[in-house]
Amino acid sequence: DIQMTQSPASLSASVGDRVTITCRASQVISNYLVWYQQKPGKVPKLLIYAASTLQSGVPSRFSGSGSGTDFTLTISSLQPEDVATYYCQKYDAVPWTFGQGTKVEIK
Amino acid sequence: EVQLVQTGGGLIQPGGSLRLSCVASGFTVSNKDIHWVRQAPGKGLEWVSIIYGGDNTHYADSVKGRFTISRDRSKNTVFLQMNNLRVEDTAMYYCGGDGLVASRGLDYWGQGTLVTVSS
Repeated sequence: DIQMTQSPASLSASVGDRVTITCRASQVISNYLVWYQQKPGKVPKLLIYAASTLQSGVPSRFSGSGSGTDFTLTISSLQPEDVATYYCQKYDAVPWTFGQGTKVEIK
Repeated sequence: EVQLVQTGGGLIQPGGSLRLSCVASGFTVSNKDIHWVRQAPGKGLEWVSIIYGGDNTHYADSVKGRFTISRDRSKNTVFLQMNNLRVEDTAMYYCGGDGLVASRGLDYWGQGTLVTVSS
């Protein structure tokens, strides 16, 4: 099975900072990648699909890029409401494996 | 309005069985792929199972042979039958729909239901 590896596991940044999270697949998955945001005690929320397409209603400070094996989620200007854990997930084929998550906090 | 509402879950002894339900509204479960995802306490998300619109199913290796996903079209509901439960199955279980509106990925989720396996 294809493994999904996120880095870093956690990060702390200041409000207004640019934040980048990386997700690497152990094999090529084209652009079959989504990103979710999960706030503490809440249900995950879909942010981005097809590696770079913003889900309707998601703020434009979120963006995704990449194809093949290497992907990034960028928050262009971190806001207090962005405190959450972010997960990538592949959907090229089963199993739809998740990355282990990246916890984002405010410094 | 698209919605997924979960029922079931609770405390169960190791080796026991539970059935989780995911009741859909605003769309027909026959036409969409529905997933189950779980999250152990303090841990990350783990994909569990999928039932396709065409009734094919797949499972994570960790639950294969013990869990069964199914669908009742008359009730517009997807089920997860969990047998021979283990302590390590303790988690919040979520159902999610793939591309229920316009996108790919799990764009709608149930509220989650807690399964605790303990003696």
